[in-house]
Amino acid sequence: KNEVEQSPQNLTAQEGEFITINCSYSVGISALHWLQQHPGGGIVSLFMLSSGKKKHGRLIATINIQEKHSSLHITASHPRDSAVYICAVTTPQGGSEKLVFGKGTKLTVNP
Amino acid sequence: DAGVIQSPRHEVTEMGQEVTLRCKPISGHNSLFWYRQTMMRGLELLIYFNNNVPIDDSGMPEDRFSAKMPNASFSTLKIQPSEPRDSAVYFCASSLEPSGVFSSYEQYFGPGTRLTVT
Repeated sequence: KNEVEQSPQNLTAQEGEFITINCSYSVGISALHWLQQHPGGGIVSLFMLSSGKKKHGRLIATINIQEKHSSLHITASHPRDSAVYICAVTTPQGGSEKLVFGKGTKLTVNP
Repeated sequence: DAGVIQSPRHEVTEMGQEVTLRCKPISGHNSLFWYRQTMMRGLELLIYFNNNVPIDDSGMPEDRFSAKMPNASFSTLKIQPSEPRDSAVYFCASSLEPSGVFSSYEQYFGPGTRLTVT
């Protein structure tokens, strides 16, 4: 079992819909990251959070430490939101830290 | 700032050849990361440096892979000899992380180098 699981793997939505992407993890973490990978391949860091909720424009990221779960929400989705969204966790390991990635969720927003 | 710069953007080489990937981090950033992305395994951290010193190379797949950071503005990832299974996109990222961990500052990714080994 992967330490970081994302669902769904693929998601298709119509423009304007509210979108939720989920991330569950099975290890203790010091931070959780959401990344966006554009169709051209570029990667952008969207959020880094260790508790509560963060908001940036139409994107909202939440985390529940007790349930080991995070969600990424996109309000009023737009075709330009089409991308792969990747969840990653920073987990303490032997005095250092390890970064573990989920496999990503491919989002397609149709006009 | 120009962001993280990687070169080359595409590399096609034959099995057995040496491959060198290059990265210039954002000026002033303390940490540099090398990642590999494949369809099968997704994104994987290979190695990261803090203040030019390698902190954790446990993700480097085998001895054929080596990475250096001779100064704060340049790093290389070398594969010698290359094999077809090394075909992937290799990303470099940098951040302001002061102490070589991942919890405080976001990472800025380069555009990646697409490597094909035939």
